[in-house]
Amino acid sequence: GQNIDQPTEMTATEGAIVQINCTYQTSGFNGLFWYQQHAGEAPTFLSYNVLDGLEEKGRFSSFLSRSKGYSYLLLKELQMKDSASYLCAVRDLLRGSARQLTFGSGTQLTVLP
Amino acid sequence: IAGITQAPTSQILAAGRRMTLRCTQDMRHNAMYWYRQDLGLGLRLIHYSNTAGTTGKGEVPDGYSVSRANTDDFPLTLASAVPSQTSVYFCASSDDRNYGYTFGSGTRLTVV
Repeated sequence: GQNIDQPTEMTATEGAIVQINCTYQTSGFNGLFWYQQHAGEAPTFLSYNVLDGLEEKGRFSSFLSRSKGYSYLLLKELQMKDSASYLCAVRDLLRGSARQLTFGSGTQLTVLP
Repeated sequence: IAGITQAPTSQILAAGRRMTLRCTQDMRHNAMYWYRQDLGLGLRLIHYSNTAGTTGKGEVPDGYSVSRANTDDFPLTLASAVPSQTSVYFCASSDDRNYGYTFGSGTRLTVV
């Protein structure tokens, strides 16, 4: 099977930095994705990592360690609008459709003023 | 249309009724997917299609069927709805580059 674990909830203060962790177990790893989902809306793409290291995109960065089966999403200079659920998803070439993503349950981030 | 369109936006359905959720994309993506999202369980794959004319089963396919007659359309059918199929359903598509998804806006289905 495939396990993807991320914390259920996190709380942080406006202007702060928060790190959301994701661990996974997979046989044919071929990429890790982070999505943001506001309440009542569809998920939207944030980042993609397939090689080890840090990918930076504005206030958001994502890190991957394939040997550890570990990723994190780093959000800097938090804003109230960052309150949302953050979904970690893994692509596994050996699972069903080689293009499908398996999602974690999501981390609900609440940003407080 | 820009992206993926799902219809209806929401629906209340009597148990035992047949229902088709519609999904249309205009991006010429080869791969399409249906997920359901339930509180605490995240997004779970129901069915997928890698290209027109082919479909496959995902993690939770029982009670659902799909077809892919052309590139643009990927309808999901509940043959005889049951209350456990109450959920938010998302259709998604992906291109042949990094395989990231574009999601539709979702269909909120309540089976009573």
